[in-house]
Formats: sequence, structure tokens, C-alpha cells
Amino acid sequence: AQSVTQLDSQVPVFEEAPVELRCNYSSSVSVYLFWYVQYPNQGLQLLLKYLSGSTLVESINGFEAEFNKSQTSFHLRKPSVHISDTAEYFCAVRKGGGNKLTFGTGTQLKVEL
Amino acid sequence: DADVTQTPRNRITKTGKRIMLECSQTKGHDRMYWYRQDPGLGLQLIYYSFDVKDINKGEISDGYSVSRQAQAKFSLSLESAIPNQTALYFCATSDELGHYTFGSGTRLTVV
Repeated sequence: AQSVTQLDSQVPVFEEAPVELRCNYSSSVSVYLFWYVQYPNQGLQLLLKYLSGSTLVESINGFEAEFNKSQTSFHLRKPSVHISDTAEYFCAVRKGGGNKLTFGTGTQLKVEL
Repeated sequence: DADVTQTPRNRITKTGKRIMLECSQTKGHDRMYWYRQDPGLGLQLIYYSFDVKDINKGEISDGYSVSRQAQAKFSLSLESAIPNQTALYFCATSDELGHYTFGSGTRLTVV
């Protein structure tokens, strides 16, 4: 079975600073990887995903994540955060050919002025 | 209208009461899911259904039951609610490629 570890439960950062949210996974088979974002009092929205091809994937709002197979990681980065990025971020994994998502425990990103 | 609609949005109920959380989707997908979110634990899968005649237990199904009334409807029941079932519940649907759409959640408090 696959599992997901998000090492940081909370990440405080000042506005315009860079940020990295860490995600590691374990699986004996090929996987697809996802980052979801949850804004306060809302459901989860897909931020970006890695299915195949280029290991660097980007979102429309400036986030990027890189799939690193040797380190089994899929860390999320943004070079300059904004107040509006304050949210909880979940890393998730799905087994190739499967349909169930397994989520990490989430990282609360708090952007401060 | 939202693609995945959950009702109610908020509910307070007493220990021992039966409660049903409802979910409907307009995506036309066969696959539907119920997740529970607790602070620090992320989302845990309660039940999932890959079509109307298919129901499967997830990681934490004890104390819950589900009903798939139609392709578009998937309800979650707590037969006898207990305080540790206080949580945020999410319904989701996905297509065959695993693209998920989540509802806005139901916040349930059991007192």
C-alpha cells in the first residue's frame, strides 16, 4: 500500500518570501502524485499533479512541484508567496491504474505581512 | 450549481442519534467517495463506490454506512453518533482517469 508523509504540520512565512512544503511517499508500484489546496471553510481544490512526462509541474498561481523518484519526494515550492496563499495544503498519491487517493496529514501555510 | 453538493453544511447532533449526510454530483461520474477530515490527520477514506451496485469499505468504515441511491447520489449514515465522530466530512467524485472533484464539506458536531 502507498503512504504519504508531510513532514511539516505548519509553515509560517512572510509575504514575498519563498516557501517549500515537503512531501514524501512510499509505494512499491508506480504512482501519480497530487497537491491539493484547502482555503478556509472550503473543500479541496487540485493545485497540480504529476502523472508522467516532465518531472517539474506548475500551477497557474505560481506554485511548482518536482517529482523525484530516487528520493520519493514531491515537494511543493513557490518563489514568492502572497497573503492569499494562506491555506492548508495536502499531498496525495494514487497508485498507477488505481483510483483511490491517499492523503498526507496536511501542511498549514500561514503567510504573514 | 456546484458540481458536488453536500447537505447539510453544518450539523449538531446528540450522542446516540442517527444522522444522514447527503451528497449529489452533476459530473456524471460513476465513482464516489466519502472522506473524513480531522485536524492533524488529513483525509481518511470511509467508503467508496465505483458504480451503483458497488460499495467498498475504506480505512475507517466502523460506525458508518452508505447508500448509493443513484449514479448521482451517495449518502453517508451514522447509525448511532458518538462524539469522536465529530469531524469535517467530504464527499468526492472522480472520473476513470482519477480526476477528483470535492464537495464543500459537512461540519458535524456530536455532543
